[in-house]
Amino acid sequence: DVKVTQSSRYLVKRTGEKVFLECVQDMDHENMFWYRQDPGLGLRLIYFSYDVKMKEKGDIPEGYSVSREKKERFSLILESASTNQTSMYLCASSPPEAGANVLTFGAGSRLTVL
Amino acid sequence: GQNIDQPTEMTATEGAIVQINCTYQTSGFNGLFWYQQHAGEAPTFLSYNVLDGLEEKGRFSSFLSRSKGYSYLLLKELQMKDSASYLCAAVDSNYQLIWGAGTKLIIKP
Repeated sequence: DVKVTQSSRYLVKRTGEKVFLECVQDMDHENMFWYRQDPGLGLRLIYFSYDVKMKEKGDIPEGYSVSREKKERFSLILESASTNQTSMYLCASSPPEAGANVLTFGAGSRLTVL
Repeated sequence: GQNIDQPTEMTATEGAIVQINCTYQTSGFNGLFWYQQHAGEAPTFLSYNVLDGLEEKGRFSSFLSRSKGYSYLLLKELQMKDSASYLCAAVDSNYQLIWGAGTKLIIKP
């Protein structure tokens, strides 16, 4: 069964802490994405990656960075967490075919920054 | 700018039919996705339309009108397990997804 796993379902951090959100997929997908999901807003793309060591900024990259050292793992990093980064973070992956691809999502990591 | 609109919340009765609408404005268009998301869970793929018309998949159907910038998801014979949020996402000319805020569907017995 196709799977995207986000290691932390719930995290509580303090302002200024460095936060790592890990995502692993077992489908050998080239494409991986990080979104945040907030009430009343559509999913917003933070960063994405089409290959190992490759990363591209999405719509709201400020305050975030990413790492993709291995094909199956895509990490989201909050260098210095702030309260406005309290949110649900969703990781997704998709195959590399050209065109509109179906995303497979992880269950999400709910981050609270105090 | 690019925009997706869908109702925030809808309520329907078990066994009934409900239609969730989605209107979009995008720079170019390469299709429209519907995803289902149960509370606390991952969004899961329901349908993808790129041509005009209705596509049926069991109790769920999805319709697209490209000329009107409009889609709907039709759910028949509603079951309690259909209580979820339904996310609409349009694909723009760069194959980027533009997401709606989601429609929370509440099913009452």
